[in-house]
Amino acid sequence: DFQMTQSPPSLSASVGDIVTITCRASQSINGHLNWYQQKPGKAPEVLIYAASALRGGVPSRFSGSGSGTDFTLTISSLQPEDFGTYYCQQTYSTPWTFGQGTKVDIK
Amino acid sequence: QVHLQQWGAGLLKPSETLSLTCAVYGASFSDYYWSWIRQSPGKGLEWIGEVNHSGSTKPNESLKSRISMSVDTSKKEFSLRLNSVTAADTGVYFCARGQSSIWGSGHYYYMDVWGEGTSVTVSS
Repeated sequence: DFQMTQSPPSLSASVGDIVTITCRASQSINGHLNWYQQKPGKAPEVLIYAASALRGGVPSRFSGSGSGTDFTLTISSLQPEDFGTYYCQQTYSTPWTFGQGTKVDIK
Repeated sequence: QVHLQQWGAGLLKPSETLSLTCAVYGASFSDYYWSWIRQSPGKGLEWIGEVNHSGSTKPNESLKSRISMSVDTSKKEFSLRLNSVTAADTGVYFCARGQSSIWGSGHYYYMDVWGEGTSVTVSS
């Protein structure tokens, strides 16, 4: 199975800050990397697929980059509604696997 | 508006069988794979497997011996059964739609619509 490792496990940032979350795959996943946001008590929602494709309706402050094994989710200007936990997921090879999540708090 | 509504028993005893169903509203049933994903404090998000409209399944090998997935195309529903549950199967279970999109020169896959989740507790 492809192991996905996220860092940091949690972070606290102020409104307007740039936030960066990283995800590393145990093997190359050829760009088949998705990012989800999950609010407490809710299901995850996809933000980005194919490492850098912004899903329709997702604010442009979210962006993704990376290739091979190393990927990054960036929030260019953190907003109050961006609190929650962010997960990466690889869909290069089954079983699809997720990172352990990064919890984002607003200071 | 695509919507997934899921239901099933929330409290089970060890060795019993977990049974969940997810109904699809507002979307074609035959154009997608339909996934089950669970979330527990200990293991985070774990993909259980997926099924398409013809009943073709892709199970997670780690659970393959205990799971079965099926569909009822007339009702646009898909179901999960997980037998011989233990406390380790406690968690929130989600159904989700698998979406394939073209980006650049490739096809990419992600879960774009999710059910609200069903909390399952296994306890004697």
